[in-house]
Amino acid sequence: GAVVSQHPSWVICKSGTSVKIECRSLDFQATTMFWYRQFPKQSLMLMATSNEGSKATYEQGVEKDKFLINHASLTLSTLTVTSAHPEDSSFYICSARDRSAGPSTDTQYFGPGTRLTVL
Amino acid sequence: AQSVTQPDIHITVSEGASLELRCNYSYGATPYLFWYVQSPGQGLQLLLKYFSGDTLVQGIKGFEAEFKRSQSSFNLRKPSVHWSDAAEYFCAVIRRYSAGNMLTFGGGTRLMVKP
Repeated sequence: GAVVSQHPSWVICKSGTSVKIECRSLDFQATTMFWYRQFPKQSLMLMATSNEGSKATYEQGVEKDKFLINHASLTLSTLTVTSAHPEDSSFYICSARDRSAGPSTDTQYFGPGTRLTVL
Repeated sequence: AQSVTQPDIHITVSEGASLELRCNYSYGATPYLFWYVQSPGQGLQLLLKYFSGDTLVQGIKGFEAEFKRSQSSFNLRKPSVHWSDAAEYFCAVIRRYSAGNMLTFGGGTRLMVKP
């Protein structure tokens, strides 16, 4: 089946530093990848949609300068949390849509998530 | 706007008992509906999905869900729960907009299984 990986799984950083999270589709090409944020015991909230070769579309209330998204290839999207602060601590999950499956399936495959802790 | 509601935040069932997790959606047209499961500290795994056709959908791990348009529901069921089914379950609906389609998740239902 379609596999999506994320790296790193865990990251702890000091306040003010930037953290990059990678999301890769391992066995399929993904024209569209999604980034979600999940607070403890809460549901997933979509942060942004990234399309290969174009700028990401951010959801209302998500700071694009704070959360930089790059979708440089059909198998890789990165989320960079810039100047991280403790309130950015969260579980970040990416997902990818299989390009070959066609628009009618609309199935997203999720990565295992990255837990970010900002001290 | 499309949305999905999971009325039960927590559910506890005994191992071997049957399970039903509720999901209600609001959407004008025929929705694309999904159920995902999330184990602690993990990403989401797709259990099943409904796009069209047979309203009773079979998924992995012995789960099934039934789409009922009259009730705007897509409840998840399993006849006999195993301890390993303890997890968080999310119902989701595709939200359509001009730039594409996106998943909107319900609040989730945490399932606990008693031995």
